[in-house]
Amino acid sequence: QKEVEQDPGPLSVPEGAIVSLNCTYSNSAFQYFMWYRQYSRKGPELLMYTYSSGNKEDGRFTAQVDKSSKYISLFIRDSQPSDSATYLCAMSKAAGNKLTFGGGTRVLVKP
Amino acid sequence: DTAVSQTPKYLVTQMGNDKSIKCEQNLGHDTMYWYKQDSKKFLKIMFSYNNKELIINETVPNRFSPKSPDKAHLNLHINSLELGDSAVYFCASSQEFTDYEQYFGPGTRLTVT
Repeated sequence: QKEVEQDPGPLSVPEGAIVSLNCTYSNSAFQYFMWYRQYSRKGPELLMYTYSSGNKEDGRFTAQVDKSSKYISLFIRDSQPSDSATYLCAMSKAAGNKLTFGGGTRVLVKP
Repeated sequence: DTAVSQTPKYLVTQMGNDKSIKCEQNLGHDTMYWYKQDSKKFLKIMFSYNNKELIINETVPNRFSPKSPDKAHLNLHINSLELGDSAVYFCASSQEFTDYEQYFGPGTRLTVT
């Protein structure tokens, strides 16, 4: 079993819908949680970062961390076709520790 | 101007060959990484260098040897290539070792036949 699990999708939504993504993890030592976006044939780019539990909002993106359930989420409001990509969650135990990535969820936003 | 660049972008080679992938970053970052992304999209760290010093060395066959001639460059040499080495290899960098934000290169798609 992988330390970090993500549904690979694809998750297909109509333009304007809310996209809901999540990851579960098994190691309670994880403290830092990130979401990366990866377009086809490109490298990942950081979208959101959260430390410990709580919510964080940045424009159309909201990241949530529930450490008690070992569950993190990313919501994308008013989704656009340009949001079509693979979304990877990543986490680490401490600053300077390696990042452990989930396998990514492929999202398709249809016009 | 590209922040993290890798060459080559595509590499097709036969089993048993030796190949190198080069990475350069012009961001002035102290830390560089090599990741392997398999066909199921799992991205796994292989090595990390901070100021030319190896700080992370995951369980990777010793056929893989990283080399950092200076802070801006991190190369990956692979000896005796095997079919299972086929993957996309990403180079990344971060300002400091403790930074969570890593900047990734475009990847090198390695196919071993």
